[in-house]
Order: sequence, then structure tokens, then C-alpha cells
Amino acid sequence: GENVEQHPSTLSVQEGDSAVIKCTYSDSASNYFPWYKQELGKRPQLIIDIRSNVGEKKDQRIAVTLNKTAKHFSLHITETQPEDSAVYFCAASIKAGGTSYGKLTFGQGTILTVHP
Amino acid sequence: DAGVIQSPRHEVTEMGQEVTLRCKPISGHNSLFWYRQTMMRGLELLIYFNNNVPIDDSGMPEDRFSAKMPNASFSTLKIQPSEPRDSAVYFCASSYPVNTEAFFGQGTRLTVV
Repeated sequence: GENVEQHPSTLSVQEGDSAVIKCTYSDSASNYFPWYKQELGKRPQLIIDIRSNVGEKKDQRIAVTLNKTAKHFSLHITETQPEDSAVYFCAASIKAGGTSYGKLTFGQGTILTVHP
Repeated sequence: DAGVIQSPRHEVTEMGQEVTLRCKPISGHNSLFWYRQTMMRGLELLIYFNNNVPIDDSGMPEDRFSAKMPNASFSTLKIQPSEPRDSAVYFCASSYPVNTEAFFGQGTRLTVV
């Protein structure tokens, strides 16, 4: 099955700096790559996603890049703020038997801390 | 829509007892997922349904775990008998159509003592 590796496990930055989180996936059939943010004690919530027909997507301070050949994708947060502190999860959606049901395999998560 | 609704929010039970977690997906969503989250193992997919049919239950850790989806608006995850190592936060999520955002419920924090 699909395997998603995420690095780093923890990331500490100063307010205003950029943060980059990287993920690799194993199954070339995966074609949907969302990123979720989970604040302490809360549910994971989607912040951005990218599909395999796109190489990059941006939404204000957040951007995601995808390299299908290398099977890796990254989350970039610019001008970080203390409220960006949370756990970030990448995920990949795998096809099952030629039909995709949206099953997500998650990375292990990155604890991002933004210091004021 | 109120989003994905899970109950209870917190459950404390004694080892050996039966535990039932409940989930109401977003109306119109046809995929439903049960995840377990722990510090050690992160977010693990236990089982998922499509159009009320279980598609993949390979993530269910043991026969003590079972899940049902009797209709499009309700699913249960049952643990019988429960053990302390089952303590975790259990999330239910739903999505539609395929390869779009999965919306998570608020989770059930299960503690087995």
C-alpha cells in the first residue's frame, strides 16, 4: 500500500521566517495531496491541496509544490505568525483497484512552533 | 450543515468493557473514514466505507474492532472488549466526491483504564 514519509518531525522558526515541510510518497498512482493543520485538541482541517496535474499551488502565505517524478511534495509557509503554530500533516490519496474512494494515507506530522 | 458529528466527545471506560463510537457524516458525502490518532503512531486509517459498503478494513488492528454503516447518515466503531492500549483519539471523516477534501469530526477521546 501507500506509504507517506514526512520531515521534519519538529520545526521551530522565528516569526516572519519561512517554514518548509517535505513529504514523499511511494505509490505513483496517488493523484491527490492535501495538507492538514491540527491545532492542539482540535480536529485536522484542510489548508491547501494539490492534484497531480498541477506542479504548484498558492494561497496567500501558503504554497504547495509537487514533483511527480521524484514522488515528493512540499508545504511552504512564508511570513510565519505565532498562530501558524500547530501540527501539519501531509497526505496522499491512493487508487484502489482502479477506482479511487478518497482514502488518505497521512504522514507522521510536523510540529511547527513559531516564536514571536 | 453542522459538519461531521461524533459522539461521545470523551469516553472513559474500564478494561474489558464494550465501547461504541458514533459518527454522522456530512449529508451527501458518500465516503466515510475512521481514523485513530496516537502520539506514537500518528493518524492511522482503520476502515473506510463508500456508499455504506466497507471497502478496506485492513487497518483495523484486531478482531476486537468492528465498524458498521447501516445507512448513509450513520456509522459506528465498536471495540469489544476494550484494552488500555486502545486509548486514543478516534476521528471520523467524510468526503464527496472522490479525491476532494475530507472533513473531520471533532473526535472522540477514548481512555481505557
